[in-house]
Amino acid sequence: GAGVSQSPSNKVTEKGKDVELRCDPISGHTALYWYRQSLGQGLEFLIYFQGNSAPDKSGLPSDRFSAERTGGSVSTLTIQRTQQEDSAVYLCASSLLTSGGSTDTQYFGPGTRLTVL
Amino acid sequence: RKEVEQDPGPFNVPEGATVAFNCTYSNSASQSFFWYRQDCRKEPKLLMSVYSSGNEDGRFTAQLNRASQYISLLIRDSKLSDSATYLCVVNTGRRALTFGSGTRLQVQP
Repeated sequence: GAGVSQSPSNKVTEKGKDVELRCDPISGHTALYWYRQSLGQGLEFLIYFQGNSAPDKSGLPSDRFSAERTGGSVSTLTIQRTQQEDSAVYLCASSLLTSGGSTDTQYFGPGTRLTVL
Repeated sequence: RKEVEQDPGPFNVPEGATVAFNCTYSNSASQSFFWYRQDCRKEPKLLMSVYSSGNEDGRFTAQLNRASQYISLLIRDSKLSDSATYLCVVNTGRRALTFGSGTRLQVQP
């Protein structure tokens, strides 16, 4: 079946503009995660959605970052008033959580490479 | 101190060599552990989970030492196709994972 998809694959924007990044998780996966990866760095957790529960926003670096997940499926990450330090690859992942709540395998999308000039 | 620390490498090894990576984690309450592989400009992909008893998958062996809070990955008979960055990943109790910065492996002919 189809994996996690993200769009756009690349985004170049000017400092101060807003951007929206989209993630389509694997069908049936209830958990969705956003991470970002700066050049040469590990992945940094941003936000996590699970079903209808309130999202875990503890990783969002500033109030310029927000995300929503509509209908329990597609998610959009919005960055307002982009800054050069926002340049990174933004990765989305989804997983199928078991009823026991253990951490299931996360499947990653190909990412969106954001460049802020 | 980072929650998950890895030697960034690079590890340059000849084909057929055995290579080992270690990773340390700071949260003693960490619950589950993984190694992910990431190829250049690609997304991370799960290589293997790491169990307390240790586990093996073909040429790959993972070990967990809870007392010392470190995880290891051993690759035997290295192939050119093993060249990648290996990410040590820990579940620290949240649903999201905590990633190390990765260890880069370059297998040379």
